[in-house]
Amino acid sequence: SQTIHQWPATLVQPVGSPLSLECTVEGTSNPNLYWYRQAAGRGLQLLFYSVGIGQISSEVPQNLSASRPQDRQFILSSKKLLLSDSGFYLCAWSPNLDRAEQYFGPGTRLTVT
Amino acid sequence: AQSVSQHNHHVILSEAASLELGCNYSYGGTVNLFWYVQYPGQHLQLLLKYFSGDPLVKGIKGFEAEFIKSKFSFNLRKPSVQWSDTAEYFCAVTLLAGYNKLIFGAGTRLAVHP
Repeated sequence: SQTIHQWPATLVQPVGSPLSLECTVEGTSNPNLYWYRQAAGRGLQLLFYSVGIGQISSEVPQNLSASRPQDRQFILSSKKLLLSDSGFYLCAWSPNLDRAEQYFGPGTRLTVT
Repeated sequence: AQSVSQHNHHVILSEAASLELGCNYSYGGTVNLFWYVQYPGQHLQLLLKYFSGDPLVKGIKGFEAEFIKSKFSFNLRKPSVQWSDTAEYFCAVTLLAGYNKLIFGAGTRLAVHP
């Protein structure tokens, strides 16, 4: 069966510091991968998605970037964090099909101080 | 831009009460529709989905949803809620036009009192 991992689970970082959040998927190949940010009362906002290695599409211009160095690895990064980057970040995967549900990881709670 | 609206942000019910959570989307093309649930301290997980066919779909734990294309709606229902249904519920849409991107509603927090 497929599993999705995210780490770290929680992170507290000062403003201006770099960020690296990692997501890996097991038990599938060539998945679509997604990064979301969840804000209270605002649902989930899609940040980035990837349909293959090195292929990243950005949905919202911001202080963050994403990379996919391996088929089942998706990384969310920032060179300099802002206070507004605080939030709950979720990674998800789906089969590379037109009609497929997404499966979510446990998330990372990021607090920028 | 496409959007998903959930009408109720907070719902409080007693056990055995009936539940209906509203969801409307704004997109005129073909869509896939989902309800996700997030129980306290747990992952976001799929409750049910609609791709095509019978517009009344049944999901886990006694939930069902009805797709009404003319109303752009996908309301979630359960005839009799339990305390364990306390969670946050998200309606979501993907557009067949591109890459399975989920567009989420703001979510509804449901609290069920014993």
